[in-house]
Amino acid sequence: AQRVTQPEKLLSVFKGAPVELKCNYSYSGSPELFWYVQYSRQRLQLLLRHISRESIKGFTADLNKGETSFHLKKPFAQEEDSAMYYCALTGYNQGGKLIFGQGTELSVKP
Amino acid sequence: DAGITQSPRYKITETGRQVTLMCHQTWSHSYMFWYRQDLGHGLRLIYYSAAADITDKGEVPDGYVVSRSKTENFPLTLESATRSQTSVYFCASSEGAIQFFGPGTRLTVL
Repeated sequence: AQRVTQPEKLLSVFKGAPVELKCNYSYSGSPELFWYVQYSRQRLQLLLRHISRESIKGFTADLNKGETSFHLKKPFAQEEDSAMYYCALTGYNQGGKLIFGQGTELSVKP
Repeated sequence: DAGITQSPRYKITETGRQVTLMCHQTWSHSYMFWYRQDLGHGLRLIYYSAAADITDKGEVPDGYVVSRSKTENFPLTLESATRSQTSVYFCASSEGAIQFFGPGTRLTVL
């Protein structure tokens, strides 16, 4: 079955600490992976996609096909990073659909 | 600001009433999607559309109806609202793999 799992519902860190939001997936084929972010009371927006291999707002994510993971990392968390983060995947047979994980709420404390 | 809009932004209704949530996009994207966002469940796909007059069920379609007579509009109707349909509803559109989300409609069914 095609699935995205985010094992942590809530992740709380202090400002300046490293942060890693976990994402594991199950997909038969070659998926395309994304991280979307939703700041408080705002719409979801794309943060990263694995094929672009960019660093956005200090965040990076590497696709590990062996471990079927796409963890989101930032070396030094900032208070403005507090938000809901969703991992998502799509593939050639998804008809444009995204499969989302349950989301992880990141809280960065001062 | 052009893009994707939803109306109303907030709606309170009563059990058994019919409610229609509107979604409009100005990019002429082929794909449009409706999600509901619930605590503990993340984002779940209700219905999606690959083009005008082409719609298909997502993960949780029961109790909802959609139509797409024009490319830019994708209304979602709750035919007889139930309390379990209290949620935040997001519309999205895409032309490629990246989806662009509307601001959401917070629906409360009393």
